[in-house]
Amino acid sequence: GQNIDQPTEMTATEGAIVQINCTYQTSGFNGLFWYQQHAGEAPTFLSYNVLDGLEEKGRFSSFLSRSKGYSYLLLKELQMKDSASYLCAVKKDSGAGSYQLTFGKGTKLSVIP
Amino acid sequence: DGGITQSPKYLFRKEGQNVTLSCEQNLNHDAMYWYRQDPGQGLRLIYYSQIVNDFQKGDIAEGYSVSREKKESFPLTVTSAQKNPTAFYLCASRELAGVVTGELFFGEGSRLTVL
Repeated sequence: GQNIDQPTEMTATEGAIVQINCTYQTSGFNGLFWYQQHAGEAPTFLSYNVLDGLEEKGRFSSFLSRSKGYSYLLLKELQMKDSASYLCAVKKDSGAGSYQLTFGKGTKLSVIP
Repeated sequence: DGGITQSPKYLFRKEGQNVTLSCEQNLNHDAMYWYRQDPGQGLRLIYYSQIVNDFQKGDIAEGYSVSREKKESFPLTVTSAQKNPTAFYLCASRELAGVVTGELFFGEGSRLTVL
């Protein structure tokens, strides 16, 4: 099976930097996604890591260490609109172009003035 | 614009009734998925389909049924056998071939409440 852990809630100040961690235990790991989900809305894709290292995309960056089973999402210059849940999802290939995706429970980020 | 449309957005059901949630995509994606989201829980996979007229059970398929008669449509029926159907239901799709990340694209969700 797969076990994915994320903090349940975090609070950060507008303009600051926040790091949301995700740890996982799985066999057959083949990538990790981060999604953003505003309350009552659809999750939207933020980033994907399959190799170790940092992927930067504007104010958002995502890091992966496969050997440690660890990823983080880094949000810089926080804005009020960044208040949302952030979902970590681990990908495990199951052959023929198919994969299994297991989601963590999500981290609810509140950005305060 | 291309996307995934779910309907209805809100639905109320009496116990013992079956309800069907609609999911339509015009992204020409091969694979479609149904997830259930409960407070404090991660998204859990109900059913998925990678090709027309074929679908597979996910982790929590009991009490649900699906069909995939057309590539763009993947309706979910919540049957009376589902013990705790009140939840937020998300439909998603993705391309299978020739993609790097293969990320899921989600619909806006359908919130089902059983009275």
